[in-house]
Amino acid sequence: RKEVEQDPGPFNVPEGATVAFNCTYSNSASQSFFWYRQDCRKEPKLLMSVYSSGNEDGRFTAQLNRASQYISLLIRDSKLSDSATYLCVVSPMNSGNTPLVFGKGTRLSVIA
Amino acid sequence: GAGVSQSPSNKVTEKGKDVELRCDPISGHTALYWYRQSLGQGLEFLIYFQGNSAPDKSGLPSDRFSAERTGGSVSTLTIQRTQQEDSAVYLCASSFVAGADEQYFGPGTRLTVT
Repeated sequence: RKEVEQDPGPFNVPEGATVAFNCTYSNSASQSFFWYRQDCRKEPKLLMSVYSSGNEDGRFTAQLNRASQYISLLIRDSKLSDSATYLCVVSPMNSGNTPLVFGKGTRLSVIA
Repeated sequence: GAGVSQSPSNKVTEKGKDVELRCDPISGHTALYWYRQSLGQGLEFLIYFQGNSAPDKSGLPSDRFSAERTGGSVSTLTIQRTQQEDSAVYLCASSFVAGADEQYFGPGTRLTVT
């Protein structure tokens, strides 16, 4: 099982739609979780951290389910500018390897 | 303040030549990471440095790849005897400490091996 798995998409949604991405991780000892955004031919940038209690930032809501080992990202009222690849990122604290493990990303296209 | 910078932004080289890629992390960040990303693919971890500790080289794909970090700041990634499959974007990131801290990425170096 891959450490971090995401549906690659693409998700093609109309403007104004609500879209949700899920991500699963294999290491139950993981402690920290993030969503990064990567625009085409650009570097990844932090979108938001994911806290156990769930957190919201404007139109974006992130949730963590430790029991099922998955993380979700909900985008409400999608904008054209939300079109990007969304990377699920996990910190496997006992991995002995890179501190953060990146999923391969889910591609979102918001269509006018 | 300044973000992570990388140079060159683009590099075209002939197969068999050596290349050096440079990364300037954010001032005060103790952890520095190198990744590569092939077209349409996810990030592939290469190596990371944390302070003065020995680097974690577990992601380096072959012994043609090496990296160093001088004075706990600037890092260079060297690829010897480049091959066409080395063509990718090489991304550098830094964070305040290794572990669960947010990583800030540089714009990357696009390497093309002809």
